[in-house]
Amino acid sequence: GAGVSQSPSNKVTEKGKDVELRCDPISGHTALYWYRQSLGQGLEFLIYFQGNSAPDKSGLPSDRFSAERTGGSVSTLTIQRTQQEDSAVYLCASAKPGINTGELFFGEGSRLTVL
Amino acid sequence: AQRVTQPEKLLSVFKGAPVELKCNYSYSGSPELFWYVQYSRQRLQLLLRHISRESIKGFTADLNKGETSFHLKKPFAQEEDSAMYYCALSGAGSYQLTFGKGTKLSVIP
Repeated sequence: GAGVSQSPSNKVTEKGKDVELRCDPISGHTALYWYRQSLGQGLEFLIYFQGNSAPDKSGLPSDRFSAERTGGSVSTLTIQRTQQEDSAVYLCASAKPGINTGELFFGEGSRLTVL
Repeated sequence: AQRVTQPEKLLSVFKGAPVELKCNYSYSGSPELFWYVQYSRQRLQLLLRHISRESIKGFTADLNKGETSFHLKKPFAQEEDSAMYYCALSGAGSYQLTFGKGTKLSVIP
């Protein structure tokens, strides 16, 4: 694909429900990131994948949040028992392998609204 | 720990006026600094990185290690510069990119 693809673009759910957000990175990009963008809070780092491994999960806000990546490609961010404070735009980004240049390619985000 | 501070949530300037978006950082090692931009209804994208010492769309940014700053500047603002700007920091060789809270630039015609 031309860029990082995320789905769904919008999700409205009821408090207590589980949600899954999907990210399709740019082909060949081994690094994959999840960030959360909340109003007035900027971009909050959630998790980073190198291949299928997540060396740093420390950004996940609670144990209700989990993420996986399969085949070194698609990643899924799962939020269990959603709360209203989980409402935000969830951004996925990927980066080329090799030396970190700081250039992340972002998707358009998944806007989550928890009622 | 690494931290990025953008003190202004909103900055309004007139077209043709100079622009300076402030960014200060905290990091004990050797930092790499970046500016990202998000135009209305577009994806967040890299604008420039300090290591390249480049000028993109007329914007420049100089890393000042003494003041731990990486302010973004443009001598003459254009309407199309209106956007959300994020300063970001990475430790040398590190995967993690830490972002500031962003500054919304509004250029008044």
